[in-house]
Amino acid sequence: EPEVTQTPSHQVTQMGQEVILRCVPISNHLYFYWYRQILGQKVEFLVSFYNNEISEKSEIFDDQFSVERPDGSNFTLKIRSTKLEDSAMYFCASSQRTSGADTQYFGPGTRLTVL
Amino acid sequence: GNSVTQMEGPVTLSEEAFLTINCTYTATGYPSLFWYVQYPGEGLQLLLKATKADDKGSNKGFEATYRKETTSFHLEKGSVQVSDSAVYFCALILTGGGNKLTFGTGTQLKVEL
Repeated sequence: EPEVTQTPSHQVTQMGQEVILRCVPISNHLYFYWYRQILGQKVEFLVSFYNNEISEKSEIFDDQFSVERPDGSNFTLKIRSTKLEDSAMYFCASSQRTSGADTQYFGPGTRLTVL
Repeated sequence: GNSVTQMEGPVTLSEEAFLTINCTYTATGYPSLFWYVQYPGEGLQLLLKATKADDKGSNKGFEATYRKETTSFHLEKGSVQVSDSAVYFCALILTGGGNKLTFGTGTQLKVEL
């Protein structure tokens, strides 16, 4: 069964450094998402992406964050200058369509630790 | 705004016990409702969903009914197994309101022999 993959599984970085989290969505999906979960808190929506542009973003997704689909398979989340409060589990997801009933398929997550 | 409230965990049950995990929601429109499950070391997997009032979603022995009158979507299973041990997330998408999932905090289930 096709699945969403994410790398790395765990990233440790120093505050102020740039990080890039990588995702490979399911191949025939057109809509891509990033979510995050700070330890002990809810899974929160960050951004959705379609047709090479952001379709929706949350208040969390400020100028420090960016997303890109650099080729036909990868979907990346970049944090330009990490803060301690960016430490979280980051989940990538993809779906075929954007209707409310459509299933979003999630990857296993990348645990980001900012020191 | 939209929000989802789940019962706090962890929930610890013996094998073959009956499971209920409560979920209630607040939404400004007409949501679709989901239960996702996360097994240790894995990503979030869709367990079941319901897209309109009175719909019942079911999968792997789990069920949840969309109750508009009580704004609830409680997850139930008649007889849990050790392999059901995981974290369960209730979530909604607002129909016609974009494509972002709004999640509850998750409820950890531990099933013991």
